[in-house]
Amino acid sequence: GENVEQHPSTLSVQEGDSAVIKCTYSDSASNYFPWYKQELGKRPQLIIDIRSNVGEKKDQRIAVTLNKTAKHFSLHITETQPEDSAVYFCAWGGQNFVFGPGTRLSVLP
Amino acid sequence: GAGVSQSPSNKVTEKGKDVELRCDPISGHTALYWYRQSLGQGLEFLIYFQGNSAPDKSGLPSDRFSAERTGGSVSTLTIQRTQQEDSAVYLCASSRRQGGTEAFFGQGTRLTVV
Repeated sequence: GENVEQHPSTLSVQEGDSAVIKCTYSDSASNYFPWYKQELGKRPQLIIDIRSNVGEKKDQRIAVTLNKTAKHFSLHITETQPEDSAVYFCAWGGQNFVFGPGTRLSVLP
Repeated sequence: GAGVSQSPSNKVTEKGKDVELRCDPISGHTALYWYRQSLGQGLEFLIYFQGNSAPDKSGLPSDRFSAERTGGSVSTLTIQRTQQEDSAVYLCASSRRQGGTEAFFGQGTRLTVV
């Protein structure tokens, strides 16, 4: 089945700094790449997604970039705030949703 | 309904007992997914239903796990002869169609096997 690698597994940044999380996939049979945020004790929720016909999508402080040739996509969070602290999962949306192992982001005040 | 609903929210069971977890997806969503999340871990795929097609059971960890989806709507995940390693949060998600659209998650069922 499809495998999604995600790096780093943990990330600590100072408030106001940027954070970047990268995912790599192996199967090209998908045109949909979402990112989910899971706060402690809560369900995962979609924060941004991208389809393979575009290379970048931005929504306020968050952006996602996609490199189809290299088969990787990245989440960028700028001007990080303490409420950005959570676990972030990338996903590969082919016939199924396969999630990366997650990145625990800590934003230090 | 307004969102994906799972029941029960919490379930404590004795080792060896069978349990049933229920998922009620968003109305009209044809795709339904079950995941397992152990404490501090990622989302482990279990099973996926799409419309009337045969489900993708490739993620079920053993033959003690099974799931069905009746009438293309409500799904039940059954774990037979529960073991302590089955303790986890079981999350259900649904989407309008397979793969290429947002998946919405339920709040999960926290299963504790004692």
